[in-house]
Amino acid sequence: EAQVTQNPRYLITVTGKKLTVTCSQNMNHEYMSWYRQDPGLGLRQIYYSMNVEVTDKGDVPEGYKVSRKEKRNFPLILESPSPNQTSLYFCASSSRAPAGGLSDTQYFGPGTRLTVL
Amino acid sequence: QKEVEQNSGPLSVPEGAIASLNCTYSDRGSQSFFWYRQYSGKSPELIMSIYSNGDKEDGRFTAQLNKASQYVSLLIRDSQPSDSATYLCAGNNFNKFYFGSGTKLNVKP
Repeated sequence: EAQVTQNPRYLITVTGKKLTVTCSQNMNHEYMSWYRQDPGLGLRQIYYSMNVEVTDKGDVPEGYKVSRKEKRNFPLILESPSPNQTSLYFCASSSRAPAGGLSDTQYFGPGTRLTVL
Repeated sequence: QKEVEQNSGPLSVPEGAIASLNCTYSDRGSQSFFWYRQYSGKSPELIMSIYSNGDKEDGRFTAQLNKASQYVSLLIRDSQPSDSATYLCAGNNFNKFYFGSGTKLNVKP
């Protein structure tokens, strides 16, 4: 089954304790992206990756890191989480990066609900 | 100013009616537009994508794009209670994506 998976689905942690949220897709997609969703603010893009070893900042990258060492995986790293990073996080992928400005459909993972105390 | 603006709603329509959802965007460089449906506690799922000015129909759904007015809309015909969800409008400017905060739709039986 074609899918985007995220782990963990739920996480409660404390300020300053490094954590990683994993994202994996089995569709051989080139483009992957991380979003956070907060009430009233919608989905905001954190980082995206056009392909292996190619990543770039989205709208709200502060406090986050990513890596793309393999095509299928795109982990989100919070080196020193703070309470303002409490949010619902989604990973998404699409078959290819936007070309000529036109984008393919993005498929979303199930989400990770993170609480930082 | 947000890149993509939507009325948060809720928009309430009776079963069988047409639901009209609207979205405006500020970045004239945006070229692809998407409507996603998101049920409470679930991930967004794509309803429609539209790239060119005009209408695009898919079953009960019609997306409309007017680049001159920077306006995107979604019409849902014969609305069903199962259509009750939050609808997210999104656009991209090359590699970056911008989402509206969503419009909550309630379809009353």
